[in-house]
Amino acid sequence: GQNIDQPTEMTATEGAIVQINCTYQTSGFNGLFWYQQHAGEAPTFLSYNVLDGLEEKGRFSSFLSRSKGYSYLLLKELQMKDSASYLCAALNQAGTALIFGKGTTLSVSS
Amino acid sequence: DAGVIQSPRHEVTEMGQEVTLRCKPISGHNSLFWYRQTMMRGLELLIYFNNNVPIDDSGMPEDRFSAKMPNASFSTLKIQPSEPRDSAVYFCASRLAVVYEQYFGPGTRLTVT
Repeated sequence: GQNIDQPTEMTATEGAIVQINCTYQTSGFNGLFWYQQHAGEAPTFLSYNVLDGLEEKGRFSSFLSRSKGYSYLLLKELQMKDSASYLCAALNQAGTALIFGKGTTLSVSS
Repeated sequence: DAGVIQSPRHEVTEMGQEVTLRCKPISGHNSLFWYRQTMMRGLELLIYFNNNVPIDDSGMPEDRFSAKMPNASFSTLKIQPSEPRDSAVYFCASRLAVVYEQYFGPGTRLTVT
């Protein structure tokens, strides 16, 4: 079967670091995407990992372990505007389907 | 670029009525996706087109749903007849190639009463 698991909610304070974990089980695998979705808006692309390791992009980093079916999104120097839902999504082998998790709602407080 | 364009942004209709959602992908993108998002089920893929051809429609819930892509710059998702359980936000997304990110439109919030 296909399954993406991530925590439902997380809270953090401004300036802190937060790690959002994601585990996946898919029939075939062609990479792991992270999207950010603010309330009432469309998802926007954050990162893509296809090889094991850490990809850093400014305050955001994403890690992938293919052998463990595991990824995480690391957000540093949190800002209030980072309050949003973070969606983990696995791309199947054929590249025809992006399977999304239900998202992790992150609340950043001052 | 204007990004992915969807219309209408909001649609309120009564049960049994036909609903047509429209999407214009980003120019040059050859893949188009329709998704449905609800609190209970999250973001679900309904159908995927590649070069205007439907490749995977296994996510289409039932025969009441149909999608077309008559050309590279336009797609429709039709629900006939609509039911209250179809209430959701429907997103269209487009992509340049397989390992590139999908760009989402602003979505259509559908309410069926």
